[in-house]
Amino acid sequence: DAGVIQSPRHEVTEMGQEVTLRCKPISGHDYLFWYRQTMMRGLELLIYFNNNVPIDDSGMPEDRFSAKMPNASFSTLKIQPSEPRDSAVYFCASSPSRTYEQYFGPGTRLTVT
Amino acid sequence: QQPVQSPQAVILREGEDAVINCSSSKALYSVHWYRQKHGEAPVFLMILLKGGEQKGHEKISASFNEKKQQSSLYLTASQLSYSGTYFCGTDPAGTALIFGKGTTLSVSS
Repeated sequence: DAGVIQSPRHEVTEMGQEVTLRCKPISGHDYLFWYRQTMMRGLELLIYFNNNVPIDDSGMPEDRFSAKMPNASFSTLKIQPSEPRDSAVYFCASSPSRTYEQYFGPGTRLTVT
Repeated sequence: QQPVQSPQAVILREGEDAVINCSSSKALYSVHWYRQKHGEAPVFLMILLKGGEQKGHEKISASFNEKKQQSSLYLTASQLSYSGTYFCGTDPAGTALIFGKGTTLSVSS
C-alpha cells in the first residue's frame, strides 16, 4: 500500500483566503484523524472519523475550520478564512481501530501570511 | 488531560542509555509511543496495554504502570538513528489518543 497520502505538501496563502487540505487514508482503515502540529502546542487532535462519520470534533479550534469525509478513501480539512495563527503542519493519520497503531501521512506545511 | 513527558530534552553519546517518562492524570487503557524525525511524520514504535505489560522493539522497550498512570520508554545502547522527538499518546476511555508535547533526543558520535 502507498500509505496515507496528503496534498498539497506545502501551502502558502494570504490571510483571508480559503485553504483546503486533502487526505487519502490507507485502504481498509476505518478511522481517520486530523492533527495540527506547532512548536507551542505540540501535536493536537482536531477531529476524527469512524466509517466516514465525525466522532469527535472538540479539537477544532473555531468555526473557520471544517472537515468532511465523503467516502472511505477521501477527507478534507478546510479553513475559511485563514489567519496567520493557522500556520502549522497538518497531519492526517489512519488506523484500523480507534486505539490501534496510527499511520501518519507526510503532512501539509501551511503558511498564512 | 494532555500527558506530561519528562525530560523535555536529552543529549546522549552513542552507546548511552536514556529513559523517557510519560504520566497522566487520567486512568488509562493504553499508552502509545511514537518517534518523529525532523521534517517527517511521527512513526509508531509500540503500544502498551493495561496489565503492566512490557513490550520491546529492538533496543527500545517500555513499561506501563496503570496504577500510577505512568509509562516509561527505555532506550539502551543508543544509536545515531535514535535521534528525534519521542511522543507518548495516552488513551483515556472513550476518546482518541492525546499526545504529550514530546521529548527531543539527540545522539552524537
